[in-house]
This record gives sequence, structure tokens and C-alpha cells, in this order.
Amino acid sequence: GEDVEQSLFLSVREGDSSVINCTYTDSSSTYLYWYKQEPGAGLQLLTYIFSNMDMKQDQRLTVLLNKKDKHLSLRIADTQTGDSAIYFCAVSAGGSYIPTFGRGTSLIVHP
Amino acid sequence: NAGVTQTPKFQVLKTGQSMTLQCAQDMNHNSMYWYRQDPGMGLRLIYYSASEGTTDKGEVPNGYNVSRLNKREFSLRLESAAPSQTSVYFCASSPSGGGTDTQYFGPGTRLTVL
Repeated sequence: GEDVEQSLFLSVREGDSSVINCTYTDSSSTYLYWYKQEPGAGLQLLTYIFSNMDMKQDQRLTVLLNKKDKHLSLRIADTQTGDSAIYFCAVSAGGSYIPTFGRGTSLIVHP
Repeated sequence: NAGVTQTPKFQVLKTGQSMTLQCAQDMNHNSMYWYRQDPGMGLRLIYYSASEGTTDKGEVPNGYNVSRLNKREFSLRLESAAPSQTSVYFCASSPSGGGTDTQYFGPGTRLTVL
């Protein structure tokens, strides 16, 4: 089955850009998602990208997809303390609509 | 709209006790899911229901049962709780079970089994 990998922690200074990376194994992956989980809460969808796209921009968020390397990244511009959370990469592949989630990356933003 | 609601928010059980986690959604979604979240493990799918009247096993179904009571409600039952089931449980729903099927998550139930 699909395997989705993320680094567990990322620490950045307020105002800098954050880049969270994700790799996956199934080349037939169709939809790729980024979810955000704030402390004590459930996950909320941030953005998603189709496999036929290379990039998607939504305000401070930029998603890049490199299908050849099976690599997905989320860039957050001008990172704020309110962006501190766990970010999950999720990928659905082939005929399954149910995504496989990565382990999540804890983003810590310090002044 | 309340979205996805879960009860209870917190629960402490002793080994061997049983309990049911409740989940309801008011978005008229067809599909519902139960996940568990453990530190460093991400989310793992326990069971899901693609539509009213159907349920299927996910990645980690052992020790759990589910009931899709109606379109709104999807419950998760632990018949004989074990310490390994200490976790945070999330219920989610999605509109149709296809395409860009965004999942909407509840706030979670934090379960401790002693």
C-alpha cells in the first residue's frame, strides 16, 4: 500500500518562510492534501493539489508537486506564531478515495 | 452547522471495560470514518463507512466494532478495552467518497485505558 513520509519537527523564526516536505511511494497517487491540526483539535483541510498540477498557490500557502520524485511540499510565507501546529500530508491513490496520512510535522514558530 | 461532533471528549477506562464512542455529522455526508492518533504514528484508519448500511475495515480494526446507525451517526465500540487502545480517536466524514473528497474531522475523544 501507499507509504507517506514526513519529518517530525520543523522550527522557524516568526516572519521567515516554512517549508514542510512529504514523500510518497505510489506513483498512481491522484489527490494530495495538506491538513493542519491545532493543539487539542481535529484536522482541518488547508489545501490540496491534483496529480496533473505542479504548483498551487493560495494566499501565503504554496504547494509544489514533483511527480518524478514523488515529493510534495508546503511552503508557508511570512510564518506567524498562529501557524504553530501539526501539518499532515495525505495522499489518495488509484481507485481508493481514502487518503493515507503521514505522521505529521510539528511546526514550531518562535519569535 | 455543528459539523462533526464526538462524545465523550475524555474517557478513562479500566482494562476489560467496554464503551462506545459516538459520532454525528450534520452535513449530509455519505462517508464516515474512525481514526486513531498515536504520538509519532500519524492517523491510522480503524473502520469506515462508504454509505449508510455499509462498513469496512481499515488498517487497524482489531479490538473494535462499528455501527452506521443512520446517515448521520457512526459509532465505535470497544468491547474489552486494553491499554494498547489508549489513544486519541477522531471521527471524520466526507461528502461522496470520490474525487477530491475532503474529510471533515471532529474534535476527538481522548481515551486512557488503565
